[in-house]
Amino acid sequence: GNSVTQMEGPVTLSEEAFLTINCTYTATGYPSLFWYVQYPGEGLQLLLKATKADDKGSNKGFEATYRKETTSFHLEKGSVQVSDSAVYFCALTPDSWGKLQFGAGTQVVVTP
Amino acid sequence: EPEVTQTPSHQVTQMGQEVILRCVPISNHLYFYWYRQILGQKVEFLVSFYNNEISEKSEIFDDQFSVERPDGSNFTLKIRSTKLEDSAMYFCASSDRENNSPLHFGNGTRLTVT
Repeated sequence: GNSVTQMEGPVTLSEEAFLTINCTYTATGYPSLFWYVQYPGEGLQLLLKATKADDKGSNKGFEATYRKETTSFHLEKGSVQVSDSAVYFCALTPDSWGKLQFGAGTQVVVTP
Repeated sequence: EPEVTQTPSHQVTQMGQEVILRCVPISNHLYFYWYRQILGQKVEFLVSFYNNEISEKSEIFDDQFSVERPDGSNFTLKIRSTKLEDSAMYFCASSDRENNSPLHFGNGTRLTVT
């Protein structure tokens, strides 16, 4: 079956530091890949997505590249801000809009 | 930007009671979902709904759960006889497959069963 594995948190870093959150997946076929973000007290918001191999999703300074050869979709941001403190979820779906399979989530804490 | 709205934001109920969680999906969306997140655990799929019927459900979605679209705007999740282990955050989502959109989530309802 499909599964998503992402690095455990919390990840604590200082403002302007570089952030990487690792995500690997197991799936049959060619899933679409997503990063969702959950800010404190809020719901899940789509951060970025990629629907085929070598696609790069980007939004708000975050990027992730769909790597089929390593079955990975690592999230990166070059310079984090305190406002980026949140829980980040990697997810996949076998089609671009269907049922999502989520990773466990990674809490990121950015300190001033 | 249109939003998925969920009410209430927090529901406390006693074990064995029935609860109804309410959601108003984005108006032009046709596909609706419920997910739940037990504290500290993964976000888990419960059920998807299209054209007034369940299109897929997980093993979590047993006979104690039901979903309904009672009118043109609301989408509800009912738990008939709550158990302690039903305590979780419940997220509603909707999507518009016609335009290939990803899922849009509400802010969730935190259900606490005592």
